[in-house]
Amino acid sequence: EVQLLESGGGLVQPGGSLRLSCAASGFTFSSYAMSWVRQAPGKGLEWVSAISGSGGSTYYADSVKGRFTISRDNSKNTLYLQMNSLRAEDTAVYYCAKEFCSSTSCHTLYDYWGQGTLVTVSS
Amino acid sequence: AIRMTQSPSSLSASTGDRVTITCRASQGISSYLAWYQQKPGKAPKLLIYAASTLQSGVPSRFSGSGSGTDFTLTISCLQSEDFATYYCQQYYSYPLFGQGTKLEIK
Repeated sequence: EVQLLESGGGLVQPGGSLRLSCAASGFTFSSYAMSWVRQAPGKGLEWVSAISGSGGSTYYADSVKGRFTISRDNSKNTLYLQMNSLRAEDTAVYYCAKEFCSSTSCHTLYDYWGQGTLVTVSS
Repeated sequence: AIRMTQSPSSLSASTGDRVTITCRASQGISSYLAWYQQKPGKAPKLLIYAASTLQSGVPSRFSGSGSGTDFTLTISCLQSEDFATYYCQQYYSYPLFGQGTKLEIK
């Protein structure tokens, strides 16, 4: 059974930093790209960042480029999101999500999601 | 940048009704479109990918259609468990979600 378990959320002051983790199990972690997707309170879904299975390629939304860093440790089956220079508008539930692969190809849509971890940026 | 527009933003319906939600892309995205269902306090659930392919385990009352710029999600006979918020997502380029459609009980 695929499981994704996020941790590391909490309350942080504007300008502060936080590191989120996502522990994966139930699938060959290194074979799949992973993403972080966030959802501000009462709002819709926003893709934040993605990383290839090997970790060699990373992608970011313009809203977080230069402030957030995605990484992974395939030996630990864990995905990370280092968030620096946090702003009030970064307040959201952050989900890690596994890319979907059909029998023929993989794409950046998501068949498994974690339960989410809440990040609150406030003084 | 591609923009995704969902309509309506909210919808009231009754159990047994047939409902349709529309998603429009600002430029052609072929069939690179997915639909998700999200219930309060829960993560999204993948319903449909490639515009019209039902994800494993999803009831057949859900269906999707469209290609290019215009897409629809149809629920043929609403069940109580279907009242939720629905999102489309294009994956032609960087992932981008529609703003959501909240389906409420009339």
